[in-house]
Amino acid sequence: QVHLQESGPGLVKPSETLSLTCTVSSGSINDYYWSWIRQPPGKGLEWIGYIYYSGKSDYNPSLKSRVTISMDTSKNQFSLMLSSVTAADTAVYYCTTVRYYYDNNGHGVLGPFDYWGQGTLAIVSS
Amino acid sequence: EIVLTQSPGTLSLSPGERATLSCRASQAVGSSYLAWYQQKPGQAPRLLVYGAFSRATGIPDRFSGSGSGTDFTLTISRLEPEDFAVYYCQQYGSSPRTFGQGTKVEI
Repeated sequence: QVHLQESGPGLVKPSETLSLTCTVSSGSINDYYWSWIRQPPGKGLEWIGYIYYSGKSDYNPSLKSRVTISMDTSKNQFSLMLSSVTAADTAVYYCTTVRYYYDNNGHGVLGPFDYWGQGTLAIVSS
Repeated sequence: EIVLTQSPGTLSLSPGERATLSCRASQAVGSSYLAWYQQKPGQAPRLLVYGAFSRATGIPDRFSGSGSGTDFTLTISRLEPEDFAVYYCQQYGSSPRTFGQGTKVEI
């Protein structure tokens, strides 16, 4: 069982950069792929991107120009930076693991989001 | 980008009844790489099903997933009081990973 905890400022000014950190406990950060997902108040879920300790990563094209996901293996943490924020970036941000499994054909699959942090609300407002 | 459309938007049922939730994809989801999540108010989503029909660890067998290609279903055989929540489908067969807009199961 992996435990995840998001942290970061709850309030960010428009045009500034949102920075969040996810601290991993009860597990090694080298053992999983790691992802960020967000959810605007009262709305659905949006995948932001993922990273692996090898440096492999992938981002949602809708956010790619503004997003950086990085890892600090010495601290067992990974981070999200979202630049040039607007009110549309106001959301609960979740950090998650990405399950890697083998399907019925024996193919390795980077699968669903299985362990989730509790989420942190980031509000963009002046 | 694969767009997932869930129906109905809201399902009004009673405990003990059967719930059938639909998720339709704008194009085929490769190798049935589709998952279902449950989200209760103020909580993070919880993974229920992946690979279209495989239950995640600890998920009761009243939850079952089915489907392939573009049409997928989550069935809750007998609703328990704790099952009233919002359910999301999500595909991981292609990038970007996308979610449906959710189905609310209410009493």
